[in-house]
Amino acid sequence: AIQMTQSPSSLSASTGDRVTITCRASQGISSYLAWYEQKPGKAPKLLIYAASTLQSGVPSRFSGSGSGTDFTLTISCLQSEDFATYYCQQYYSYPQTFGQGTKLEIK
Amino acid sequence: QVHLVESGGGVVQPGGSLRLSCTASGFTFGSYGIHWVRQAPGKGLEWVAFIRDDGGSQYYADSVKGRFTISRDNSENTLYLQMNSLRVEDTAVYYCAKVYGGNSGCNDHWGQGTLVTVSS
Repeated sequence: AIQMTQSPSSLSASTGDRVTITCRASQGISSYLAWYEQKPGKAPKLLIYAASTLQSGVPSRFSGSGSGTDFTLTISCLQSEDFATYYCQQYYSYPQTFGQGTKLEIK
Repeated sequence: QVHLVESGGGVVQPGGSLRLSCTASGFTFGSYGIHWVRQAPGKGLEWVAFIRDDGGSQYYADSVKGRFTISRDNSENTLYLQMNSLRVEDTAVYYCAKVYGGNSGCNDHWGQGTLVTVSS
C-alpha cells in the first residue's frame, strides 16, 4: 500500500498567516492527490483534487501544488473558519490511503 | 443537491454483525462509484471499501477483507456495508462518500456518518 506522510502533525498559526502543509507519498502517484478539511464532529470536505484543482465553492486562499511524490497545501491568509484538521489522500491505486492529518490550531 | 445519509450504526458485541446503509439523493446514483471510509474515535481517516457504479467490482482494505461486504441497490439508490465478525478495532464513525468522476477519483460528497461501537 502507498503510504502518505503529512507534516507537520500539528501547527499553530494566527489569523492572516500563510501556512503550508506537506504530504509525501511512498511512491509516485502522478497528480492523483486530494486535500480535505475536517472540523470536529463533521464529515470531511473536499478542498482540492488532482493535486492543484480547487473544488467548486472553495475560497481561492486555498491552493495545492506538486506531482509525483511531494505535494503541498497552502492557505494564503488564514481565516477563523480555517482552523480544522487537514488530510491528504491518494487515489492513484487501491487501497486508497490518507495522510495522518494536520491539526491547524489558533496561536 | 447531493445528499448521502448513513444509518444502521449501533453497539454490537465482538464477533457480531451489523449492516450499514447509505441512502443517496440529488444525483444519478447508478452512475457513480461509492466508498466507505471510517474514522476511529480521535483518529484519522481510513478507507474501507469501494464499489463500482454497476456493482460489478469491489475493493476492500486488508483490515476488513473477508469480513465486510459492500453492495448496492441502484433501484433503491442505496449502498450497503455488511459487517461480520466485528472486532473492537472496527469501532468508528463510518462515512459513505461519492466518487467525483464516475468510478475513479476522490470523494466530492460525504454523508454525516454513522457510529459503530464494538464492545462487550
